[in-house]
Amino acid sequence: DAGVTQSPTHLIKTRGQQVTLRCSPKSGHDTVSWYQQALGQGPQFIFQYYEEEERQRGNFPDRFSGHQFPNYSSELNVNALLLGDSALYLCASSFGRGRSSYNEQFFGPGTRLTVL
Amino acid sequence: EDQVTQSPEALRLQEGESSSLNCSYTVSGLRGLFWYRQDPGKGPEFLFTLYSAGEEKEKERLKATLTKKESFLHITAPKPEDSATYLCAVGTIKAAGNKLTFGGGTRVLVKP
Repeated sequence: DAGVTQSPTHLIKTRGQQVTLRCSPKSGHDTVSWYQQALGQGPQFIFQYYEEEERQRGNFPDRFSGHQFPNYSSELNVNALLLGDSALYLCASSFGRGRSSYNEQFFGPGTRLTVL
Repeated sequence: EDQVTQSPEALRLQEGESSSLNCSYTVSGLRGLFWYRQDPGKGPEFLFTLYSAGEEKEKERLKATLTKKESFLHITAPKPEDSATYLCAVGTIKAAGNKLTFGGGTRVLVKP
C-alpha cells in the first residue's frame, strides 16, 4: 500500500518565478493538507483540500494557491517566488469524515524548494 | 490563537539514559494531540494520537501521556536509532477544516 507521494523531490527556482508541487494521497484518503517547514522549525499549515474545495487556510498570502483533482491528488502553486519561500513543502493526507471527527494526518517525504 | 511549545529545543543523551520531552499547548476545540518523529530531510512519521487527559500510548521505547495542558514523550533506555526530531501537534476543527498546529520540535541525539 503506497503512502503519500510527492514530486519533485528537489527544486531550484529564482526570485519571481512560479512553481507547482504535486501530491498523491495515501490509498483510501480523500483530504490533502499542505504545510511549509523552514529549516529548524515545525511545519506551518498552508491550506487543506476536501472534495476538490479549499476548506481551511492558514496565514499565507494569495501567492500560495492549490487545487485538488477528482482522484484526490493535489497541487500547490506558488507565484512570484521570494527568497523566504525556500523551505521543505510537506503534503499530508487523511480521511475527512466531516467536521465532527478528526483523523491522523500522514505525511509525504516533502519537496525541498530553494529560491535563489 | 492556538499555540504549541516544545521543550527542550535539543537533548543529548547517552545510550540507555531515559528522558522526557515536553509539549505544552493553548488551544480551543482540541481534537487530538499528535506526536511525530522526523529524520533529517524527510517528512514527519506518525507515532501517536492522544484524545483525552489521562490517556497513555506506548510504542517500543516511547510512551506518550496527556494532561489538560501538556503532553510528555518519555524515551526509555534510548538507542542511537532513536536520534531524530520529535514534533508535537494539536488538531483542531474550526470552520470546515481540521488543521494541525505544530510546536518547534525537540532534536534528540543519542550517543552510543
